[in-house]
Amino acid sequence: GNSVTQMEGPVTLSEEAFLTINCTYTATGYPSLFWYVQYPGEGLQLLLKATKADDKGSNKGFEATYRKETTSFHLEKGSVQVSDSAVYFCALRDTGGSYIPTFGRGTSLIVHP
Amino acid sequence: NAGVMQNPRHLVRRRGQEARLRCSPMKGHSHVYWYRQLPEEGLKFMVYLQKENIIDESGMPKERFSAEFPKEGPSILRIQQVVRGDSAAYFCASSPKGGGGGAWNTEAFFGQGTRLTVV
Repeated sequence: GNSVTQMEGPVTLSEEAFLTINCTYTATGYPSLFWYVQYPGEGLQLLLKATKADDKGSNKGFEATYRKETTSFHLEKGSVQVSDSAVYFCALRDTGGSYIPTFGRGTSLIVHP
Repeated sequence: NAGVMQNPRHLVRRRGQEARLRCSPMKGHSHVYWYRQLPEEGLKFMVYLQKENIIDESGMPKERFSAEFPKEGPSILRIQQVVRGDSAAYFCASSPKGGGGGAWNTEAFFGQGTRLTVV
């Protein structure tokens, strides 16, 4: 079956530091990959997505590249802000099966001033 | 275009009572997914519904939990005889497409969740 594995958190950084949150996946078909962000007390919001190998998704300074050879979709940002503090979820939707979105466990990011 | 609407945002129930959680998908979306979020456990898939059909309920507990998505009205997740372990945040997501409809490259849109507390 499908699965998503994310690095465990929390990830604690100082403002303007470089961010990487690792994500790897297992899928039976040819999935699309997503990163969602959840702020405290809120639902999940789409941050970025990539639908095929070597695609790069980007939004608000965040980037992730779909790497089929390593089955990875790592999230990066060059300079984090305090306002980026949130929980980040990696997810996939596969071409096989019922297309149910599958999520990783989430990685909490804490950015200090 | 209103987003996915869930209500109530917060729900407190005593052990043994019933909890009803409602989800109205985005306009034009006919595919609904329910997830449960527990601290430190991420999002767990519960059930996938289309109008008047349960497509996949592989994540639903076998007892006390049920879901529906009627032809008219919101999707309902019902938990009967709640226990303390049911305390969690329950999220609904909707999508314009599902299996066989090219859904694989479209995102799911989430509501703000219902936070259930069982006392």
